[in-house]
Amino acid sequence: ETGVTQTPRHLVMGMTNKKSLKCEQHLGHNAMYWYKQSAKKPLELMFVYNFKEQTENNSVPSRFSPECPNSSHLFLHLHTLQPEDSALYLCASSQDSHRNTEAFFGQGTRLTVV
Amino acid sequence: DQQVKQNSPSLSVQEGRISILNCDYTNSMFDYFLWYKKYPAEGPTFLISISSIKDKNEDGRFTVFLNKSAKHLSLHIVPSQPGDSAVYFCAASGRVGGTSYGKLTFGQGTILTVHP
Repeated sequence: ETGVTQTPRHLVMGMTNKKSLKCEQHLGHNAMYWYKQSAKKPLELMFVYNFKEQTENNSVPSRFSPECPNSSHLFLHLHTLQPEDSALYLCASSQDSHRNTEAFFGQGTRLTVV
Repeated sequence: DQQVKQNSPSLSVQEGRISILNCDYTNSMFDYFLWYKKYPAEGPTFLISISSIKDKNEDGRFTVFLNKSAKHLSLHIVPSQPGDSAVYFCAASGRVGGTSYGKLTFGQGTILTVHP
């Protein structure tokens, strides 16, 4: 069992839909992250939360809205997405974002926007 | 501008031999480097890391070498096993532009295939 769990694993949504991705970590970490992996591109950081506070937004469009109610849970709310937003969305956690430590990833949500 | 590059999209190795995966970076502010392995339909799994104060770190069959002057790191897998077949990503972090350490910058990945 992975320490970082993402749901759903697969999601197909229309451009006018609203959906949410969920991430939960059981590692006692204080930092959580959203990454995006598009086809044939490197993983790309979207957001960083440290102790529930957003510390980085990597110029992500507002149609992606993160929420971190506590250090164990992270959501990504999706609204009026475009087909080019189809990608693998990965959640990760680490001890905290002010130290050089490894990040642990969930299995990802494969999102398809139609 | 890609700050972490893995110039070999793929590598094929015979079982039992050494696999050497390479990674180059451009930003001298990076001071922590990591390797991840990824199977299809799964998230990346952490393998091994190295701080810039070291030039080598070893963990079982995996060894990472860091050459700071060349801004180059490599992952050696000895001996290679068929179960090692996966995509390998290198990543770097550091106080780059005031951002937090938690921000990992990834390479494009190298597909390793180990033949029995």
